[in-house]
Amino acid sequence: DGGITQSPKYLFRKEGQNVTLSCEQNLNHDAMYWYRQDPGQGLRLIYYSQIVNDFQKGDIAEGYSVSREKKESFPLTVTSAQKNPTAFYLCASRPESYYGYTFGSGTRLTVV
Amino acid sequence: AQSVTQLGSHVSVSEGALVLLRCNYSSSVPPYLFWYVQYPNQGLQLLLKYTTGATLVKGINGFEAEFKKSETSFHLTKPSAHMSDAAEYFCAVRLTGNTPLVFGKGTRLSVIA
Repeated sequence: DGGITQSPKYLFRKEGQNVTLSCEQNLNHDAMYWYRQDPGQGLRLIYYSQIVNDFQKGDIAEGYSVSREKKESFPLTVTSAQKNPTAFYLCASRPESYYGYTFGSGTRLTVV
Repeated sequence: AQSVTQLGSHVSVSEGALVLLRCNYSSSVPPYLFWYVQYPNQGLQLLLKYTTGATLVKGINGFEAEFKKSETSFHLTKPSAHMSDAAEYFCAVRLTGNTPLVFGKGTRLSVIA
């Protein structure tokens, strides 16, 4: 079955370390998105990509980086510059002709 | 700019009662509107969407929503709540083109037996 796979589901890292969250889709979708979710704050857009080798900053891009070398993959790196990285991270994708998103099951990152 | 306001961060209803989750939006152009549901520690699942055409939209699990342009609203309803409806619900808006979805802050629905 087609879908979006985020891995790992739970991730623990020490403060000051960079960490990369994986997002892979086999839906042949063009656009991919990263959102951060915190209790009571809804979903906030970190980065998005409409096509391979191109991406744009969202509302809270500081302290994060992404790459889009393949259509299927859109990894997110949480760098040591991100002041409060503990959160639930959601990846989503969308085909060109449709406005609704398909979401992955999320990665919960805890920095200790 | 577009924004989404969900009234009430937490709504509690009795099993079998009407569910009403409120969503208002602001947009300078006709919006595309969505409702998503999220169960604990999972991703979001699309409940229903409004793009064009009929303003009353039916979705999965017995939910429906009505687009009211004059009120800039897209409230989600279900005639009779079930225990399995307990989850967090997000309203989202998108302009035409390729701009990303903007989400509301969510409403947590509790269903009391």
